[in-house]
Amino acid sequence: QIQLVQSGPELKKPGESLKISCKASGYTFTDYAMQWVKQAPGKGLQYMGWINTQTGKPTYADDFKERFVFSLETSASTAYLQINNLKNEDTATYFCASDGYWGQGVMVTVSS
Amino acid sequence: DIQMTQSPSVLSASVGDRVTLSCKASQNINKNLDWYQQKLGEAPKLLIYFTNNLQTGIPSRFSGSGSGTDYTLTISSLQPEDVATYYCYQYNSGPTFGAGTKLELK
Repeated sequence: QIQLVQSGPELKKPGESLKISCKASGYTFTDYAMQWVKQAPGKGLQYMGWINTQTGKPTYADDFKERFVFSLETSASTAYLQINNLKNEDTATYFCASDGYWGQGVMVTVSS
Repeated sequence: DIQMTQSPSVLSASVGDRVTLSCKASQNINKNLDWYQQKLGEAPKLLIYFTNNLQTGIPSRFSGSGSGTDYTLTISSLQPEDVATYYCYQYNSGPTFGAGTKLELK
């Protein structure tokens, strides 16, 4: 069955960087794009953008054009979200999603 | 950017009720709309894709309809396990989510 399994929770300080992984299984990784979605504590879903899994080209929503990087390791059927220069407002759960299937989410806490 | 307005923001209903959730787009989105259900502490789950297509494994009490700027998710007979927040999601242009409708039991 189709599964997206994400890496574990993260606790970081402001200014640090992190990289979240999303490993896909149960389908051909390059058949569908990978989206990323942010959910701040107690808030709704915010679309961050997507990456073309065939070409590796990322597209970012306006709020995520700085400090956020989508990347792939196609041989491992894995997508990555990197966040640089972390800020308190990056505290959230981050989801990967592909063809309607979602990862379990990664809770990121940024605190000094 | 296309804005998606969901109403109501909170809905209280009883088991067995017919429930209707609304989503209005700021411009025509050509039926490019999905509905997601998110239960507390879980990832969102796709219920309906392209306005009115039921995702595999989703109970038939869920249905979607709409066109142009106005879209609806209907639950024909509310069940206790339907308590959740429901989001509409448009992908016609610069994808965006609605703010959600929280569905509670009365």
